[in-house]
Amino acid sequence: GNSVTQMEGPVTLSEEAFLTINCTYTATGYPSLFWYVQYPGEGLQLLLKATKADDKGSNKGFEATYRKETTSFHLEKGSVQVSDSAVYFCALSDGKRGALTFGSGTRLQVQP
Amino acid sequence: KAGVTQTPRYLIKTRGQQVTLSCSPISGHRSVSWYQQTPGQGLQFLFEYFSETQRNKGNFPGRFSGRQFSNSRSEMNVSTLELGDSALYLCASNSGVQANYGYTFGSGTRLTVV
Repeated sequence: GNSVTQMEGPVTLSEEAFLTINCTYTATGYPSLFWYVQYPGEGLQLLLKATKADDKGSNKGFEATYRKETTSFHLEKGSVQVSDSAVYFCALSDGKRGALTFGSGTRLQVQP
Repeated sequence: KAGVTQTPRYLIKTRGQQVTLSCSPISGHRSVSWYQQTPGQGLQFLFEYFSETQRNKGNFPGRFSGRQFSNSRSEMNVSTLELGDSALYLCASNSGVQANYGYTFGSGTRLTVV
């Protein structure tokens, strides 16, 4: 079956530091890949997505590249802000089941 | 355009009772999915409805059920509540045509079973 593995958190960074959150996946075929963010007390917001190999998704300074050879979709941001503190979820959709498979989430804490 | 709306936001129920949660998708979206989020199990897929038909189902007991109406609004029902059903229940909508467009989530209903 499909699965998504994310690095354990929490990740604690100082403001303006570089962020990487690792994500690897297992899936049949050619899944679409997503990063979602969840702020305290809220639902999930789509941060970015990529639908085929070598695609780069980007939004609000965050980027992730679909690497089929390493089955990875790592999230990066060059300079984090306190407002980026949240839980980040990597997810995939194989398009057949109509459902997302999520990683366990990585909590990011950015200190001023 | 309005997002995905879930009601109520918070709910407290007693063991053995049943509960119904509601989800209104983005206008024009025909697919509605439900997820359960708990600290221990993370985000788990419950089921998906498309055009009033259940299209996919996760690995949850039959106490968890849902339906979708002709206007695409969806309800989820949990019968004979157990303490372990305490969770954040999230609803997501999608056009239903292309899953890779991503899903838009609501803010969730936090259910507490006491």
